[in-house]
Amino acid sequence: AQKITQTQPGMFVQEKEAVTLDCTYDTSDQSYGLFWYKQPSSGEMIFLIYQGSYDEQNATEGRYSLNFQKARKSANLVISASQLGDSAMYFCAMREHTGRRALTFGSGTRLQVQP
Amino acid sequence: GAVVSQHPSRVICKSGTSVKIECRSLDFQATTMFWYRQFPKQSLMLMATSNEGSKATYEQGVEKDKFLINHASLTLSTLTVTSAHPEDSSFYICSASIARTGNTIYFGEGSWLTVV
Repeated sequence: AQKITQTQPGMFVQEKEAVTLDCTYDTSDQSYGLFWYKQPSSGEMIFLIYQGSYDEQNATEGRYSLNFQKARKSANLVISASQLGDSAMYFCAMREHTGRRALTFGSGTRLQVQP
Repeated sequence: GAVVSQHPSRVICKSGTSVKIECRSLDFQATTMFWYRQFPKQSLMLMATSNEGSKATYEQGVEKDKFLINHASLTLSTLTVTSAHPEDSSFYICSASIARTGNTIYFGEGSWLTVV
């Protein structure tokens, strides 16, 4: 069963506007972590933001914020004031804190910022 | 600076030959490292978990005899693609984590493998 679902294969946003990238997840673990990564064409995985399942407040990192709705099992990424350099692939990922420590990734969303 | 270093970043090899990719943790000891593969326009898929001093754990569908993983030290894991074929052409990336929880996961720079 797919554990991480990203339903938006591609998104467009105007420069300086905000954009929300959707992510839902499925787990029976009570303790887990949710991650968002940016992957430019070079392939490197750039960490953006992290949310622990027990964190009561939504995570924020500069222009990035994570809209964490635990009951709905969603962890949407909000990018404010989009910049041309934000154009890339974005992956949502989860790590369950029991068992292996590997990340499970969603299918990704390609974001294109238009001038 | 990078805490996980991966080498080479790009490699081209002939069909039938083997190629080795290295993943090093620079500032910490990694008893466990992970190897992912990413085909064009697809997501990262876990191939195997590399365990220091013991056999790697492979994900279902990954041929352990084709993708040899060695984790002989606490700072180095290697992935060897044996008898490479064009369909093995992909982006391979490793990661390591310092702790079981929290944001403690670090990725290497990735390796682009092209088999001709």
